[in-house]
Parts: sequence; structure tokens; C-alpha cells
Amino acid sequence: RKEVEQDPGPFNVPEGATVAFNCTYSNSASQSFFWYRQDCRKEPKLLMSVYSSGNEDGRFTAQLNRASQYISLLIRDSKLSDSATYLCVVNREDSGYALNFGKGTSLLVTP
Amino acid sequence: SAVISQKPSRDICQRGTSLTIQCQVDSQVTMMFWYRQQPGQSLTLIATANQGSEATYESGFVIDKFPISRPNLTFSTLTVSNMSPEDSSIYLCSALRLGGQGEQYFGPGTRLTVT
Repeated sequence: RKEVEQDPGPFNVPEGATVAFNCTYSNSASQSFFWYRQDCRKEPKLLMSVYSSGNEDGRFTAQLNRASQYISLLIRDSKLSDSATYLCVVNREDSGYALNFGKGTSLLVTP
Repeated sequence: SAVISQKPSRDICQRGTSLTIQCQVDSQVTMMFWYRQQPGQSLTLIATANQGSEATYESGFVIDKFPISRPNLTFSTLTVSNMSPEDSSIYLCSALRLGGQGEQYFGPGTRLTVT
């Protein structure tokens, strides 16, 4: 089983739509969870950390379900500029601050 | 957030040669890492670059193939040795965000093609 699994997509949605991405992780001891965004041929950039109580940053909402080892990202009112690959990232408890990355979910927002 | 630069941004190399990639952070950071992202794949950690001591390598990566240096808190190098076409990849360095929850900031990456 892979450490972090995501639906690769692609998700094609019209502008203004709401889209949700899901992610599962295998290490129940993981303590830190993140969503990164990666544009084509660019480095990953931190979108948001994911907290146990869930958190929101503008149009983006992240949720964590530790019992199910499941993380989600909700994007409301999608913009063309949201088109990117979204990476689910989980820390590795056995290796300090090392991170495990999912393969990413591709999002294309169309006019 | 820390600003991270890498040199070179890209290179095309012949098999059997070596390439050293430099990573510079604009502020002192405690931990730096090197990742590889192969085409269509996600990031895989190569090693943690430890300041003043040998790097900590992940399973499947060895020092002879990927020697790493970190002479101070803002600079690290990764060498890809005796390259083969399978080493064609993007190599990224990252730094741990101070005072955060374990977030890492990434350099722009070095796109390596081995012919």
C-alpha cells in the first residue's frame, strides 16, 4: 500500500464550481498534514496545513479524519488560476521531518 | 517564508559524468532536504542534508551515487554521480520552515536530462 494515495484525476470543472479532492494515508502515527500546489514545471508550493479541527483559508477548506486516515481539500468558486496539481503531503513519524507526497490530483478549471 | 535558489536550473549531461547541484537559502534553516521528481511521479526524498555531518539517506539512495554536502546553515549541494538516463529527473531542495508544523519550502528545481 502506498503511503499517501490520491485520485489522480484530472478534474475538469467550470469556473465558479466547487471541487473536492480526497487523500488517504497509511501511517496512523503521522502528525502533520499539508496540501501543496504544483504548477506545470514548477516547484511545489504550500497551499495550507491541515489541522485536526479542520481549517479554512478563503475559498479553500481542509479537513482531517484521523480515524479513517483521510484528508480532504474543498475549493469553492473555482478560478482559472486554480488549475494545477494538488499534492497531499503527510509527515513520516519514523524520520523526523521527512515528508511523504501523494502523486497529486490534477485540476483544470475552464471558462 | 525562506527564498530558496538552485543552480543550475537545467542541464543536459552525458552518461557516466557527474553533476553538482547547488541550493542556497536566504536565511538560516535547521533542516534541508533533497528530493527527486521523475516524470509523471510525485516527489521522492533522497536524503536529509545535515549541517557539518554526513547526510541521512533514504532507502534506495546511497552516498556514492548522491553525495551531499552542507557546510553551513544556508547552503547544500547534491551531486549526481556516474549518471545514466534513469537519473533524468527534476531534483529539488527544500528547507524546513522555522516555527511551523513541519512545512517545507522548495527551491525551483534542477531539470536534469542524461543522454
